[in-house]
Amino acid sequence: SQQGEEDPQALSIQEGENATMNCSYKTSINNLQWYRQNSGRGLVHLILIRSNEREKHSGRLRVTLDTSKKSSSLLITASRAADTASYFCARTETSGSRLTFGEGTQLTVNP
Amino acid sequence: DAGVIQSPRHEVTEMGQEVTLRCKPISGHNSLFWYRQTMMRGLELLIYFNNNVPIDDSGMPEDRFSAKMPNASFSTLKIQPSEPRDSAVYFCASSFTLQETQYFGPGTRLLVL
Repeated sequence: SQQGEEDPQALSIQEGENATMNCSYKTSINNLQWYRQNSGRGLVHLILIRSNEREKHSGRLRVTLDTSKKSSSLLITASRAADTASYFCARTETSGSRLTFGEGTQLTVNP
Repeated sequence: DAGVIQSPRHEVTEMGQEVTLRCKPISGHNSLFWYRQTMMRGLELLIYFNNNVPIDDSGMPEDRFSAKMPNASFSTLKIQPSEPRDSAVYFCASSFTLQETQYFGPGTRLLVL
């Protein structure tokens, strides 16, 4: 079972609005990654942030990491209908080697 | 690079039959992962390999499931005998190292009747 907690579980917004998704975890991590999954497709890597980084940008995506609060957020600015997908956070813990995925946030962007 | 390749893309079989799913990782990647995804259970890690060696198979649900990686460019996930509750999308992913970005294949959609 997954141990990352993401909220909200589902988010519905209008095109042009910003979407923020959050991810919390319980252990120390080496890095945290965000992935996107379109319906019926495989997961696609979006961005990786290492434990010594606080913020990263990629196009309309902004990821923050607060290791003291054990949380990360993914912000999608100026959302588009094509951003509709499930978004997963995944972390690599310092105590283990494998990537652990959260349960995902289903984002719907209405045109 | 063609990315991670999985076959078949769709499989429909009857309960009790053997099912073999195949995966070709990205060339040069040393780690390979098998996942299962369902609406009820979400994304589950079944097993992963590093340098062709199985590292952790604790996610494999039952003895009916087995996975092999005979070489760096090929892995199989076998279900024998299959049951209706095995119906799911099975993803293979590979990465350069265990902790780096994973690249997912398109998945195999399995339906066991």
